[in-house]
Amino acid sequence: EPEVTQTPSHQVTQMGQEVILRCVPISNHLYFYWYRQILGQKVEFLVSFYNNEISEKSEIFDDQFSVERPDGSNFTLKIRSTKLEDSAMYFCASRRDRGETQYFGPGTRLLVL
Amino acid sequence: EDQVTQSPEALRLQEGESSSLNCSYTVSGLRGLFWYRQDPGKGPEFLFTLYSAGEEKEKERLKATLTKKESFLHITAPKPEDSATYLCAVQVEIQGAQKLVFGQGTRLTINP
Repeated sequence: EPEVTQTPSHQVTQMGQEVILRCVPISNHLYFYWYRQILGQKVEFLVSFYNNEISEKSEIFDDQFSVERPDGSNFTLKIRSTKLEDSAMYFCASRRDRGETQYFGPGTRLLVL
Repeated sequence: EDQVTQSPEALRLQEGESSSLNCSYTVSGLRGLFWYRQDPGKGPEFLFTLYSAGEEKEKERLKATLTKKESFLHITAPKPEDSATYLCAVQVEIQGAQKLVFGQGTRLTINP
């Protein structure tokens, strides 16, 4: 069964460093998302991406964040200068069409020291 | 503001003891209600989608129902392997873009 994959599973970085989180969505899906979950809190929407552009972003998704689909299979989230409060699980999700189910990857646990 | 509230926050049951989890929501532009299961340190795993009031879906020991303001996840004769956090999310649409708004989850523990 097709699934969303994410790399790395864990990332430890120093405050102020850049990180890139990678995702491979399900192959025939057209809509891509990033969510995050701070330990013990709700899953929060960050950004949605369709047709090679951002369709919506949350207040969390400021100028330090960017997303890219560099080729036909990968979808990346870049944090330019990490802060302590960026420590969280980051989930990638994808869906095939409007209104359909979003399928989530296993997540990347980011720890900023 | 779109809001999803789940209750209870945590629930401990004995194996075989049936119960229900609640998800109430206030949203504009609802485009479906989703139930996910999340195991510790893992991503949400899809269980059900409900689109209209009165709709019901079943899978093994789980049944999800939907009204205009809330959804229930009924668990019948649960087993220890059903222990997990159950997440409710509503899909909302704003200016053509859709996203999921999650509740805080119900942490379910089934004791053997």
